[in-house]
Amino acid sequence: KNQVEQSPQSLIILEGKNCTLQCNYTVSPFSNLRWYKQDTGRGPVSLTIMTFSENTKSNGRYTATLDADTKQSSLHITASQLSDSASYICVVTWDNAGNMLTFGGGTRLMVKP
Amino acid sequence: DTGVSQNPRHKITKRGQNVTFRCDPISEHNRLYWYRQTLGQGPEFLTYFQNEAQLEKSRLLSDRFSAERPKGSFSTLEIQRTEQGDSAMYLCASRRGGIYGYTFGSGTRLTVV
Repeated sequence: KNQVEQSPQSLIILEGKNCTLQCNYTVSPFSNLRWYKQDTGRGPVSLTIMTFSENTKSNGRYTATLDADTKQSSLHITASQLSDSASYICVVTWDNAGNMLTFGGGTRLMVKP
Repeated sequence: DTGVSQNPRHKITKRGQNVTFRCDPISEHNRLYWYRQTLGQGPEFLTYFQNEAQLEKSRLLSDRFSAERPKGSFSTLEIQRTEQGDSAMYLCASRRGGIYGYTFGSGTRLTVV
C-alpha cells in the first residue's frame, strides 16, 4: 500500500530557531515529491517539488532534501518566523502523469515568540 | 483572478440533506482534482478531471457523491443524503499537465449536524 509517514506530528519551536521535518514514503513507483504549507482553514500551498534525480531544493528559508534510495525526505526551515506556524505536508506522486498523489498526515508546526 | 476559487467557504447542513460545492479552477489549467481532508489528516483523493472527462474516482467516492465538470471549466461536487461522517474540508485543485504543481483552493468546510 502506498504510504507517506511524517514526523513529528507536531512541533513547537521559538522564533528564530531552525527545525527539520521528516517524511518517509513507501510509494512505488515514484515520480516526484512535494512539500506543501497549509495554514489553518486554507488550502495547501506548494513550497518545493523534487524529481527522482534531485537531492535538494531550496525556496527561501525552506530547504528540502530527498534520498530516493532510502525513500526519505526532509524539510529544513531556517530562522523560523511566527508566520511559519502551519501544517507542512509531504506529498508523493506515483504516476508519470502526475495525477495520483499520496499525502502524508502533516507536521503541525507552531512558532512561538 | 489567478487562483482557484471555491464556494461556499463554509456549509452547515442537516443530516440527510443534499449539498453542492463549486470549484472554479485557473482558466488555463485543464486538470481539476477534488480532495477531502479531515481534521489533523492530509487530503485524500476523491476524483479528477482532464478537461470535461472524469478519468479517475476513488473508492471514497460512494454513490452518494457525484462530480461534474461541464465544458471543462468549473466543477461541482454534490453529496446526496449527507451523513455526519461527510463532515470535512473539501479541497479543489487544478494544474496543467506534466510535473506542473497543483494550485489548491481554500476549500469548502462542510459540517453535517
